[in-house]
Amino acid sequence: GAGVSQSPSNKVTEKGKDVELRCDPISGHTALYWYRQRLGQGLEFLIYFQGNSAPDKSGLPSDRFSAERTGESVSTLTIQRTQQEDSAVYLCASSAGGASGEKLFFGSGTQLSVL
Amino acid sequence: AQSVTQPDIHITVSEGASLELRCNYSYGATPYLFWYVQSPGQGLQLLLKYFSGDTLVQGIKGFEAEFKRSQSSFNLRKPSVHWSDAAEYFCAVGAPRNTDKLIFGTGTRLQVFP
Repeated sequence: GAGVSQSPSNKVTEKGKDVELRCDPISGHTALYWYRQRLGQGLEFLIYFQGNSAPDKSGLPSDRFSAERTGESVSTLTIQRTQQEDSAVYLCASSAGGASGEKLFFGSGTQLSVL
Repeated sequence: AQSVTQPDIHITVSEGASLELRCNYSYGATPYLFWYVQSPGQGLQLLLKYFSGDTLVQGIKGFEAEFKRSQSSFNLRKPSVHWSDAAEYFCAVGAPRNTDKLIFGTGTRLQVFP
């Protein structure tokens, strides 16, 4: 596709349920990032994939959060046993790699609401 | 560790007025600096970036930003605001050659009145 695609665009779930958020990066982009944006706050780094290297998981807030990426394609962010504080917009971004932040393209995000 | 502060949560300007959005960063060396804009219902779009060289950088949509090392600032400016500039603006800092993670500020919401 022409840009970074995220699905679903909106997700409402009940506390305690598991959710999966999907990100389709721009074709050929080796780097993929997940960020979280809580209401009224800045973007919070979650996890970073670069090619076949081990992902940088330093931003994941708890062991309920995990992410996978197959090669240089789709990534899935999974939140287990969701809590109300997980409510946020989850943004995915991809880049061709190289210098820090160079040409970072963001998706429109998934709005997650935990009731 | 690097950090970013955007002291203005919400700014309101009249269309045609000049604009300056403040951004201060904390980093031990010269960082990579970015401004992103997030329009309602859309993803973030890169406005401009500073890596090195000329401290005044030009971006898209008529925006510019100036890197001031002495003030640890990277303020975003536009001489004449258009109604379509109403959006959320995020400043971000990245660490060269160390990590590709960007650290974002909390954002400034810009409202434009006709």
